[in-house]
Amino acid sequence: KQEVTQIPAALSVPEGENLVLNCSFTDSAIYNLQWFRQDPGKGLTSLLLIQSSQREQTSGRLNASLDKSSGRSTLYIAASQPGDSATYLCAVRLGVWQAGTALIFGKGTTLSVSS
Amino acid sequence: GAVVSQHPSWVICKSGTSVKIECRSLDFQATTMFWYRQFPKQSLMLMATSNEGSKATYEQGVEKDKFLINHASLTLSTLTVTSAHPEDSSFYICSAQKTSGSSEQYFGPGTRLTVT
Repeated sequence: KQEVTQIPAALSVPEGENLVLNCSFTDSAIYNLQWFRQDPGKGLTSLLLIQSSQREQTSGRLNASLDKSSGRSTLYIAASQPGDSATYLCAVRLGVWQAGTALIFGKGTTLSVSS
Repeated sequence: GAVVSQHPSWVICKSGTSVKIECRSLDFQATTMFWYRQFPKQSLMLMATSNEGSKATYEQGVEKDKFLINHASLTLSTLTVTSAHPEDSSFYICSAQKTSGSSEQYFGPGTRLTVT
């Protein structure tokens, strides 16, 4: 059974710091991996999606890497800002053997960036 | 494009009553929609997979007679929590997958259910 783990569970950093969030998954047979942001009491905002054949994706100050063979992904946030404070969720989608496959989520890393 | 809405955004109901939550894909057609539940400080857990025109597939431990799912069109899925109890209080989020094109899932903003 696929399990997704995120470390650390919480992280507090001063503004301007670069940081790395970690995600690991137990079964390397994934279709893709996605990073989301969730603000308190809100829904999900998709940040980056990495297909299983890709090694990384970048969007602005965010960079996500994927090492499928070792079951790991990292989300790198450069020059963090207070507005980055949120919970970051990692989710994997299993191999496409049927139309429509749900995501399996980690518990998230709650980030707090102080000014 | 690829916007998913949920209605209501929050609801408070009394124990024993039923509540219906709607999930709509506003600018695309979705053959498949997913319903997730999130308890405080926990991650999203899949409840069921909803396919247009067919019965939903429920995850282990989710009572299909309590959580009724209807996916009657390519843009609408509904989740009805029947005979709600306080332990059903949670954040319910749906996602929709396009019928064609990208396999990415698009998430709704969620519905906060509180059962008193």
